[in-house]
Amino acid sequence: QQQVKQSPQSLIVQKGGISIINCAYENTAFDYFPWYQQFPGKGPALLIAIRPDVSEKKEGRFTISFNKSAKQFSLHIMDSQPGDSATYFCAASPPGNTPLVFGKGTRLSVIA
Amino acid sequence: DGGITQSPKYLFRKEGQNVTLSCEQNLNHDAMYWYRQDPGQGLRLIYYSQIVNDFQKGDIAEGYSVSREKKESFPLTVTSAQKNPTAFYLCASSMRTSRIEAFFGQGTRLTVV
Repeated sequence: QQQVKQSPQSLIVQKGGISIINCAYENTAFDYFPWYQQFPGKGPALLIAIRPDVSEKKEGRFTISFNKSAKQFSLHIMDSQPGDSATYFCAASPPGNTPLVFGKGTRLSVIA
Repeated sequence: DGGITQSPKYLFRKEGQNVTLSCEQNLNHDAMYWYRQDPGQGLRLIYYSQIVNDFQKGDIAEGYSVSREKKESFPLTVTSAQKNPTAFYLCASSMRTSRIEAFFGQGTRLTVV
């Protein structure tokens, strides 16, 4: 119930292409869905987040799509660049003062 | 500059020794967290603390201990009881009312030989 399942585990995309990472959850009480970006040897950093009453949120080349009925959400990176190569984590926020639940991460490589 | 400082960046210890990882934040955040990161395993929660002098076990607390004597500091001790301590350890903090915006430190890579 507290899990967030993330796929794929790794992804290789050509420069200029679209990167798509998917996450699914079971707990309908989750009330916020952030995405984190982590570069090698660094800590993760908040990239973009969405609330369940919104179906899509866009910030620059990054878009979250949210499907409440399917209990799925995804990150789309448009015009992917080599500098986007990183590990991406989806997460979900349980109700109350409990920590975020993270997916297992997707390692993205954008090749020229 | 506000942020979270983890030290040291790299740490080597012999098997059977306890080791303490430091985490300090000057963001005035109430909540602090410790995660362990292994390849393909994502971020696994070890311990977290919502307020000073209080902390809760996460999913993989066995073999670890923490203290929260000051709001700014949340050190993690990896004890000799932890069977597989070699990993990348991440500390994070957040406002208690906005826990989704967790700020992470740069991590400590612990290698036990």
